[in-house]
Amino acid sequence: AQKITQTQPGMFVQEKEAVTLDCTYDTSDPSYGLFWYKQPSSGEMIFLIYQGSYDQQNATEGRYSLNFQKARKSANLVISASQLGDSAMYFCAMRERSGSRFSGNTPLVFGKGTRLSVIA
Amino acid sequence: DTEVTQTPKHLVMGMTNKKSLKCEQHMGHRAMYWYKQKAKKPPELMFVYSYEKLSINESVPSRFSPECPNSSLLNLHLHALQPEDSALYLCASSQDQVVGTTTGELFFGEGSRLTVL
Repeated sequence: AQKITQTQPGMFVQEKEAVTLDCTYDTSDPSYGLFWYKQPSSGEMIFLIYQGSYDQQNATEGRYSLNFQKARKSANLVISASQLGDSAMYFCAMRERSGSRFSGNTPLVFGKGTRLSVIA
Repeated sequence: DTEVTQTPKHLVMGMTNKKSLKCEQHMGHRAMYWYKQKAKKPPELMFVYSYEKLSINESVPSRFSPECPNSSLLNLHLHALQPEDSALYLCASSQDQVVGTTTGELFFGEGSRLTVL
């Protein structure tokens, strides 16, 4: 069974500074995807970034980057130049592949989340 | 169009009421999901529909009844709920049978916030 661990219930960061949110995972499947979502107080889950288990390079999307260390089974999210609007819950999640495919039978499983507060 | 639309956004119901939550997407996705999220907790999977067929039911009580009338719509029928069922209900969709390098992310709606009195 897959498992996602986020050990930081809450984090504070100064505006314009970088912050790293930790995520470790456990799976016996060699093929999987790792995802980070942001959930503001409004409730919507916003997809931020994806890392495939076979990807050679760390994923980047604008101010978001993923520090993927496969041997350590960690997929930490790095947010650069924090903004006040980054204050939200952040969830790390994983999907295993069924063979080479993501399917409805391999749903997303979430970690407990980290609440990030950006301070002016 | 990359939107998943959920209605209603807020719902208050008594324990004897029957109500429904609705979810719609027009992205051509063939997998649709219901998640339940309690305050300060991560979303928990309830049901998955794949090509309009129920593929996963995470041992959800029968007072929750999902329905997928077509590939764009997903309903969650509610009957005889308990106060502990009060939560944010999130609908999501994704491509199904996604091969290779496609990221396979789920697209979420804004959720329906349910209060059971």
